[in-house]
Amino acid sequence: AQSVSQHNHHVILSEAASLELGCNYSYGGTVNLFWYVQYPGQHLQLLLKYFSGDPLVKGIKGFEAEFIKSKFSFNLRKPSVQWSDTAEYFCAVNGYGGGSQGNLIFGKGTKLSVKP
Amino acid sequence: NAGVMQNPRHLVRRRGQEARLRCSPMKGHSHVYWYRQLPEEGLKFMVYLQKENIIDESGMPKERFSAEFPKEGPSILRIQQVVRGDSAAYFCASSPRVGLTGELFFGEGSRLTVL
Repeated sequence: AQSVSQHNHHVILSEAASLELGCNYSYGGTVNLFWYVQYPGQHLQLLLKYFSGDPLVKGIKGFEAEFIKSKFSFNLRKPSVQWSDTAEYFCAVNGYGGGSQGNLIFGKGTKLSVKP
Repeated sequence: NAGVMQNPRHLVRRRGQEARLRCSPMKGHSHVYWYRQLPEEGLKFMVYLQKENIIDESGMPKERFSAEFPKEGPSILRIQQVVRGDSAAYFCASSPRVGLTGELFFGEGSRLTVL
């Protein structure tokens, strides 16, 4: 069965600090990987996604993520966070084959609080 | 993503009542997914439907919960005889078809409170 682990439950940073949120998944087949963001009181929005090709993926708002296949990881990074990045971040995997129906499996999320 | 419409946004029910949550997917999307978000738990997959078919309901509780996506009209998640533990945010997502990109587009959620 597929699963996604996010290492940090709550991260607190000051503005301009660098961010790295960990994400590991367990699935041996072909995967698509996603990071979604949920701002307070809002729905989930896609930050970035990886399907194939360059393992370093750039998304919106200055976020990027690197797919490291050997480590089953897809960590999210941002060089300099802003107060407006305060939100909850979810890593998700969509595996193909092995009976997967294509639905996304989410991690438990990481809450990011950025202090002004 | 304003394309996926969910209603009601907030629903309050007393224990034992029924809750019905509706989801209209984005135009052109024929695949609908329901997720439940509990505090501190992230999103849990519940059910995946196409028009008139349930494709995967492996995440649905065995009792009291049902879902449908009729040929005409929105998808409906129905919870009978609600209990306090059903209080959660229920998110609907849609996609054009499986295997294209895997990306899901989410609605703003329906927040169910059971008193």
